[in-house]
Amino acid sequence: DAGVTQSPTHLIKTRGQQVTLRCSPKSGHDTVSWYQQALGQGPQFIFQYYEEEERQRGNFPDRFSGHQYPNYSSELNVNALLLGDSALYLCASSGPGLGGETQYFGPGTRLLVL
Amino acid sequence: SQQGEEDPQALSIQEGENATMNCSYKTSINNLQWYRQNSGRGLVHLILIRSNEREKHSGRLRVTLDTSKKSSSLLITASRAADTASYFCATDSNDYKLSFGAGTTVTVRA
Repeated sequence: DAGVTQSPTHLIKTRGQQVTLRCSPKSGHDTVSWYQQALGQGPQFIFQYYEEEERQRGNFPDRFSGHQYPNYSSELNVNALLLGDSALYLCASSGPGLGGETQYFGPGTRLLVL
Repeated sequence: SQQGEEDPQALSIQEGENATMNCSYKTSINNLQWYRQNSGRGLVHLILIRSNEREKHSGRLRVTLDTSKKSSSLLITASRAADTASYFCATDSNDYKLSFGAGTTVTVRA
């Protein structure tokens, strides 16, 4: 039973570029949440997708957007990258439904913006 | 903004000793969860305690929750080198998103 998978594992971009990160949820899960973890800090909630819609959003600008596909996999897109976007991006899945209490995290994508 | 605050920020113990870390939070919660993170990798779920529970055990882990004080503690007994990691508490305020603290870094010395 595969857990949560994320791709790529590492990414280097330059300021102003755009990036897409991908996540496949754990089998049986239909809800995907994204978190940003800056160095030395705890993860910060970006947004959550369920039934292909954004259900919750944290305090992140519109440069951060996402998508969920019918197979429950999800993408996180970040436009006009800033140096401060350098972080570990974590995907978590839960379910079935929004009531799934425990979120299972993937290994993360480490993004470096130069 | 971060809901939880872990204390201490860092902890160094000898193998075989117990490690205790605390978490305080600000608003009412549905549940509180503890996660472990090794070397900046993904988070591993350790234990979940609901707001109507006071204590929970899982193997060498013991978690307590005091909703009147808005605080929780995680005890790791008989620590091992493999317990070296960062530990985070995360609260769920019934809105299906987790709010994390900054974590406690635990180092277990051989």
